[in-house]
Amino acid sequence: EPEVTQTPSHQVTQMGQEVILRCVPISNHLYFYWYRQILGQKVEFLVSFYNNEISEKSEIFDDQFSVERPDGSNFTLKIRSTKLEDSAMYFCASSPITGTLEQYFGPGTRLTVT
Amino acid sequence: QKEVEQNSGPLSVPEGAIASLNCTYSDRGSQSFFWYRQYSGKSPELIMFIYSNGDKEDGRFTAQLNKASQYVSLLIRDSQPSDSATYLCAVWVGGNKLVFGAGTILRVKS
Repeated sequence: EPEVTQTPSHQVTQMGQEVILRCVPISNHLYFYWYRQILGQKVEFLVSFYNNEISEKSEIFDDQFSVERPDGSNFTLKIRSTKLEDSAMYFCASSPITGTLEQYFGPGTRLTVT
Repeated sequence: QKEVEQNSGPLSVPEGAIASLNCTYSDRGSQSFFWYRQYSGKSPELIMFIYSNGDKEDGRFTAQLNKASQYVSLLIRDSQPSDSATYLCAVWVGGNKLVFGAGTILRVKS
């Protein structure tokens, strides 16, 4: 069964450094998302992406965040200057078309900012 | 602010019993509802979705939706210890965005 994959599984970085989290969505899916989950808290929406552009973003997704689909398979989340409060699990998700809406999550990247 | 509320639990049920998980949402215009299962340290796994009022069954799982009451529930029949997890209710609020509840911890005792 096709699944969303994410790399790395765990990233440790120092405050102020840039990180890039990578995702390979399910191959025939058209919508891509990033969510995050701070330990013990809710899953929070960050951004949705369709047709090579952002379709919606949350107030969390400020100027330090960016997303990109650099080729036909990868979808990346860049955090330009990490802060301690960026420590969280970051989940990539994808869904086939707007009409069905189901979103399938990858295994996540645990980001630890020290 | 569009909210999704769940009882945090833990909900403890004996093996073989029916587990009933509940969720309420604030946005009356919400159209689509999802249940995810999340094991500790893992990602959310989609187990059910429902778009219309009434019941939807899939194996041991039944999702129930009542839009007038802004209420969605998940029933798990013949609960197994492997069902022990956190169950997340998620609501599509437009723009391809899901809003998640905090989740209900389910513990199935053997």
